[in-house]
Amino acid sequence: DTAVSQTPKYLVTQMGNDKSIKCEQNLGHDTMYWYKQDSKKFLKIMFSYNNKELIINETVPNRFSPKSPDKAHLNLHINSLELGDSAVYFCASSGRGEQFFGPGTRLTVL
Amino acid sequence: DQQVKQNSPSLSVQEGRISILNCDYTNSMFDYFLWYKKYPAEGPTFLISISSIKDKNEDGRFTVFLNKSAKHLSLHIVPSQPGDSAVYFCAANSYNTDKLIFGTGTRLQVFP
Repeated sequence: DTAVSQTPKYLVTQMGNDKSIKCEQNLGHDTMYWYKQDSKKFLKIMFSYNNKELIINETVPNRFSPKSPDKAHLNLHINSLELGDSAVYFCASSGRGEQFFGPGTRLTVL
Repeated sequence: DQQVKQNSPSLSVQEGRISILNCDYTNSMFDYFLWYKKYPAEGPTFLISISSIKDKNEDGRFTVFLNKSAKHLSLHIVPSQPGDSAVYFCAANSYNTDKLIFGTGTRLQVFP
């Protein structure tokens, strides 16, 4: 059983398109996150949701909009994709301690 | 401003020997530190953590040491095994926030 799953694993798209990445966790955690790992391998938090409520919103462009339909899901929608959005996006969840990560979605914008 | 730094991008160690991975931080508000291990095409996996009230935490072959005055922590793996070959990320956060700040990672290669 996968604890934190993301779809798709790979996403290749053209500049200007809108795309979504889905994340689901079956750990019963209250908090979920989106991280971005760029070409320099920096892993940086983008958003955090606790019980469907936005808790952390780093300086991320408005083109990125997370949506949490329920505690177990946190989806990431990206509008008007740009070349610089190319990265690996990781979803994570946590209960009271460490964060558990999904396998990542490699987004390539052409 | 990189608040968590791993200055060694890579480390190569012989199987059976000790691997020591280092991490430095600048934010004195950090009070919880974690190590994650990452294989290619997978997400980071939690390895071990330490609270700022301790200076050592051990779990099997993995030990994390924290030197608060130096703002430095290290991960010791002994004995090192080929399966330990991965990228290791150091991370830190403050007690009142879930926001983890990650280092840039150290690629460990354990050779036979």
